[in-house]
This record gives sequence, structure tokens and C-alpha cells, in this order.
Amino acid sequence: QVQLVQSGAEVKKPGASVKVSCKVSGFPFTIYNLDWVRQAPGQGLEWMGRINPNNGDTNFAQKFQGRVTLTRDTSTNTAYMQLSSLASDDTAVYYCVKEGAVDGRFDFWGQGTPVTVSS
Amino acid sequence: EIILMQSPDTLSLSPGERATLSCRASQSFSSNYLAWYQQKPGQAPRLLVYGASSRATGIPDRFSGSGSGSEFTLTISRLEPEDFAVYYCQQYGTSPPYTFGQGTKLEIK
Repeated sequence: QVQLVQSGAEVKKPGASVKVSCKVSGFPFTIYNLDWVRQAPGQGLEWMGRINPNNGDTNFAQKFQGRVTLTRDTSTNTAYMQLSSLASDDTAVYYCVKEGAVDGRFDFWGQGTPVTVSS
Repeated sequence: EIILMQSPDTLSLSPGERATLSCRASQSFSSNYLAWYQQKPGQAPRLLVYGASSRATGIPDRFSGSGSGSEFTLTISRLEPEDFAVYYCQQYGTSPPYTFGQGTKLEIK
């Protein structure tokens, strides 16, 4: 079955970086785009960007351009999201999401990785 | 960037009642790329409807989506206790950025 298993909770200081992993199984890794969405405490969903695991092409929300790096390792079927220059308002749960094949719907979600930024 | 506005912010209803949730876009786009998600506390969102009106796998038929252009609706025909949650609309597809509405909280009256 389709699974996206993310790395565990992180606590970081302001100005640091965080790298979250998303290991997928149950589907061909290089066929479906993977997106990253975050949710601050008590807030809504915010799309950050996506990666094409086949060729590494990426797209980003303008807000995160230059601060987010999306990469993948096709040998381990794992995608990564690195967010730099962390501030307190980056405290959120970060989700990796699989896109559907035909239209890009967000059909399977990881369990989420809580990231806390605090001095 | 397409902005999605959901209404109402909170909807208070009783089990067995009908729920109607709205999603309005700042500009028209293809209904092929409008989705609805349900999120319960402490859980990841779950895809309910895609392409504005197609139910995702395993979603009960009391959930239905409709609309086109810039106006979309999610209807829950008869509310079950497990339906009380937060619902998000989203525009997606081939041309990022993708955006979500701010969410509608469906609470028990």
C-alpha cells in the first residue's frame, strides 16, 4: 500500500536550518510529483513547493523561494525538504504529499513532521 | 496566484442535517483542478473530492462536490458524527503555485 513516512519531530533555534525526510513505498518513486505543505499551530494549510523525483525539477511558492531546498534520493525512494534561516513563525507541522498521476490531486499524505523553532 | 475564500468560517449543525460549504476563487480556473480535503485534529488531511465533483476512493456518497469557474461547493447530505472536522478547498494541477482556502470548521451544534 502507498506509504509516505516522514522523519521525526525537530526543535531548532532561530537562524538554523531543518531537513525533513519523506520515505515513500507502494508506488514507483520517479513517476509522481511530491509536494510539501505546512500547517502552523491552529492555522490552515500552506503549499510550499514540489519536486519531480524523476528529474529533480522543482517549483516553489514565492514566499519560500530561496529559503527552501527540495531534493530526492532515487536509490532510497526518499525526498527531502530543507528550510533555512528559521524563525519562530516557521513553527509548524510539515507534510509531504504524493500527487496523483493524471491531474496532480494530493491523494496521499505523510503523517507530518512537527518542527518547533524556539530560542 | 489564485486566492480561495471559504465560507462560512465555522458551521454549526447537528448530526443528520445537511451541510453546504462554499469555496470562491479570485479568478476562474478549470474545475478539473479543484479538490476538497477533510482534516481531523492531530491527523493529516484526507482527500475527499477532486476535479470539483469526483469522490476519492473510499469516500461515502453523502459527500458531493459541485461548481465551476470560480464558485465551488461541498455538500454533506446527512451529517454523521465522524464528519465534524475542518474542510479545505484547494486548486491544484499543472501550474503551481497551488493554494488552499482558509478552511471551514464544521462543529456539532
